Amino acid sequence: SQQGEEDPQALSIQEGENATMNCSYKTSINNLQWYRQNSGRGLVHLILIRSNEREKHSGRLRVTLDTSKKSSSLLITASRAADTASYFCATDGLSTSGTYKYIFGTGTRLKVLA
Amino acid sequence: NAGVTQTPKFRVLKTGQSMTLLCAQDMNHEYMYWYRQDPGMGLRLIHYSVGEGTTAKGEVPDGYNVSRLKKQNFLLGLESAAPSQTSVYFCASSLPTGGSLYEQFFGPGTRLTVL
Repeated sequence: SQQGEEDPQALSIQEGENATMNCSYKTSINNLQWYRQNSGRGLVHLILIRSNEREKHSGRLRVTLDTSKKSSSLLITASRAADTASYFCATDGLSTSGTYKYIFGTGTRLKVLA
Repeated sequence: NAGVTQTPKFRVLKTGQSMTLLCAQDMNHEYMYWYRQDPGMGLRLIHYSVGEGTTAKGEVPDGYNVSRLKKQNFLLGLESAAPSQTSVYFCASSLPTGGSLYEQFFGPGTRLTVL
């Protein structure tokens, strides 16, 4: 299964509410990143948190990382209709050949209702 | 800067046909990647390259080949397309930073259907 798995798979909220998405992973990491994907488009990088960091902020985004639980959460505050998208976590890790690679989760589909 | 571009945007193939997807980046990035995205499965790494003339296998390399003859281009080839290769293909690029991978910049995707 995927290294990163997001929870919930889908989330529907009203504009102005906060949205929280979670990501779990299986192996040790150097960093964890969150990406956003609008329907039919490529992914866009949102924020990176290193393994020695516990929390990071960027505008309305807040990311936490708990390496002991191998999990991360993405909080979007005061959501807007334009935040409607799929959100993916990505972790770096070692492939079986010993080289670094990215592993993406399956994503959370967020819908913000106006 | 155009960033990462992909051609074509859409393609329909018949089983057994071959095709090449082209990815180009103008950010002077060393690393380039090819992913496929299928419903409910996130992105899976097909092949990647850490520099001109070098390529490596990702998670799902079977049925695909790649080449990185020029730093700015990364080609993905399907020699004999199969219906299981129906997917959306994304190219990405990034700078190398030590031994860890950082922000990736993605192209708009190529939607491929194999009949």
